[in-house]
Amino acid sequence: RKEVEQDPGPFNVPEGATVAFNCTYSNSASQSFFWYRQDCRKEPKLLMSVYSSGNEDGRFTAQLNRASQYISLLIRDSKLSDSATYLCVVNNQAGTALIFGKGTTLSVSS
Amino acid sequence: NAGVTQTPKFQVLKTGQSMTLQCAQDMNHNSMYWYRQDPGMGLRLIYYSASEGTTDKGEVPNGYNVSRLNKREFSLRLESAAPSQTSVYFCASSDSGASYEQYFGPGTRLTVT
Repeated sequence: RKEVEQDPGPFNVPEGATVAFNCTYSNSASQSFFWYRQDCRKEPKLLMSVYSSGNEDGRFTAQLNRASQYISLLIRDSKLSDSATYLCVVNNQAGTALIFGKGTTLSVSS
Repeated sequence: NAGVTQTPKFQVLKTGQSMTLQCAQDMNHNSMYWYRQDPGMGLRLIYYSASEGTTDKGEVPNGYNVSRLNKREFSLRLESAAPSQTSVYFCASSDSGASYEQYFGPGTRLTVT
């Protein structure tokens, strides 16, 4: 099993749609979880951290299921500006570095 | 506050040439990282420095060396470039350890012919 796995997509949705991405990770000892966003030909930027209790930031909701080793990101009311690649990220076994998934591409159209 | 800066932005090398990619951060972060990103492969960690004076190998260290020059600067050296090292290179920094947000530089696009 790869360390962090994501469906690469692309997910093509109309404006206003709700879209969900999932990610699985292999290291049951991982403690830190994040979603990063990367625009085309740009550097990754933190979208949100993912907490055990789940967390919400505006239209974005992240959830963690430790038993299934699965992280999700829900985007409500999609905007054109949400078009990007979304990277699922967890810490490595030693807790010293981050492991990035290959990303899920979202394209929102009008 | 510039965040993380990288130079150069673009570089073309011939096979066998050497070069050093420079990275600097002004956020007083302890940890710094070098990644490469290839199509379909995602971001892969080359080397990291958990604190000034220490460096450790990541997932793909072969063909690279690093120097943590001081708390601000972390350089990546290609001693003898190969076409397989054609990639986009990102430097990042964070507070200590992997629990904290990593801030990325704008990247260096390297082509080796």
